[in-house]
Amino acid sequence: DQQVKQNSPSLSVQEGRISILNCDYTNSMFDYFLWYKKYPAEGPTFLISISSIKDKNEDGRFTVFLNKSAKHLSLHIVPSQPGDSAVYFCAVHTNAGKSTFGDGTTLTVKP
Amino acid sequence: EAGVAQSPRYKIIEKRQSVAFWCNPISGHATLYWYQQILGQGPKLLIQFQNNGVVDDSQLPKDRFSAERLKGVDSTLKIQPAKLEDSAVYLCASSLGAGLNTGELFFGEGSRLTVL
Repeated sequence: DQQVKQNSPSLSVQEGRISILNCDYTNSMFDYFLWYKKYPAEGPTFLISISSIKDKNEDGRFTVFLNKSAKHLSLHIVPSQPGDSAVYFCAVHTNAGKSTFGDGTTLTVKP
Repeated sequence: EAGVAQSPRYKIIEKRQSVAFWCNPISGHATLYWYQQILGQGPKLLIQFQNNGVVDDSQLPKDRFSAERLKGVDSTLKIQPAKLEDSAVYLCASSLGAGLNTGELFFGEGSRLTVL
């Protein structure tokens, strides 16, 4: 049973426009929700996170939204840049230290 | 600050052979993870250590996989004997410790295993 689902394997947007990546999770026992970015031949790197007690967190061009009633997490990138092209993983984390990842969305930002 | 170090970066073996991967986490990080990432999928947890104790190894195929973290620092992950379906990238990650951070994991570059 997959606890974290990213239903869009890929997303293509034009440079300067908004990128919206989505993630759904299946239970309410998580304490933090995170997004990681991965370039080819590298390990994932942390991008942004949100606590379960908040509904929005912003860091520069990146904003994460959490809708607990819908069990839905989204990442907005505005404006999108070609360097943002990568695989984005959402993850859920418990205070016991366990992180579970989705299968990723490949974002392509076209110049 | 040095990141998470992993070796080897690439390994090609034949099925039924054995292989070992090494990980050195960020200094001071109490929690160490091994994840398996198969092409097109997200990282899947194999084992989680807190210092030198195992916190979660429920998804580790214990008939062929083993892992240890001696002295609560470096860790090794071994596969013996390897199967074709073990072809994947093995990612090591570390964090400050359960309850001490907001869930951010620091990953190494990974060890890519190909089993022929």
